[in-house]
Amino acid sequence: EAGVAQSPRYKIIEKRQSVAFWCNPISGHATLYWYQQILGQGPKLLIQFQNNGVVDDSQLPKDRFSAERLKGVDSTLKIQPAKLEDSAVYLCASSFWAGAQETQYFGPGTRLLVL
Amino acid sequence: AQTVTQSQPEMSVQEAETVTLSCTYDTSESDYYLFWYKQPPSRQMILVIRQEAYKQQNATENRFSVNFQKAAKSFSLKISDSQLGDAAMYFCAYRSAGGETSGSRLTFGEGTQLTVNP
Repeated sequence: EAGVAQSPRYKIIEKRQSVAFWCNPISGHATLYWYQQILGQGPKLLIQFQNNGVVDDSQLPKDRFSAERLKGVDSTLKIQPAKLEDSAVYLCASSFWAGAQETQYFGPGTRLLVL
Repeated sequence: AQTVTQSQPEMSVQEAETVTLSCTYDTSESDYYLFWYKQPPSRQMILVIRQEAYKQQNATENRFSVNFQKAAKSFSLKISDSQLGDAAMYFCAYRSAGGETSGSRLTFGEGTQLTVNP
């Protein structure tokens, strides 16, 4: 079974530029998450999708971050414009459903450096 | 809001020995789930073990076991017969017992970097 795919793996941009990350969840997984992991910290949820609807985006900085999940499969996370403090690893995770026995499977992450 | 605390930024263990990683959490909920995830240098988070709060029995997965103390809000991970491949960052995580339409975010601790010495 193929795992969660993310691209690109690494990205370096200058502040005020825009960047987009892509995630392809495990086939059949209805729930998709984007987490931000700043160096030396644990991951923090940015947004949760159930199919193509948003369930939780309470910690998403909506003035600069946006995410979409078209057709309930792939998802894109965008930052526009980027700030220095956005340097982090962006992890995508997916699960079959957000129920009692849910297991979240993580992708390899995209490491972003903002200069 | 729930919080998760890992008070040991770094731990080390000799190969074949046993090590225990500590985790405490704060919640007002009665039903929830606790997890330990492993993150090697590749950055891919891998689930190690899960504990349901309503279960009194401590979870075990091969060489990994937990000591779940609900009243004390403590959830430690014991790794027996440590192997070189166990070296990684370990994260404790909390999740509310939500459903499909409610948030099911994982709340992570700060992590414990485990070194295994040969």
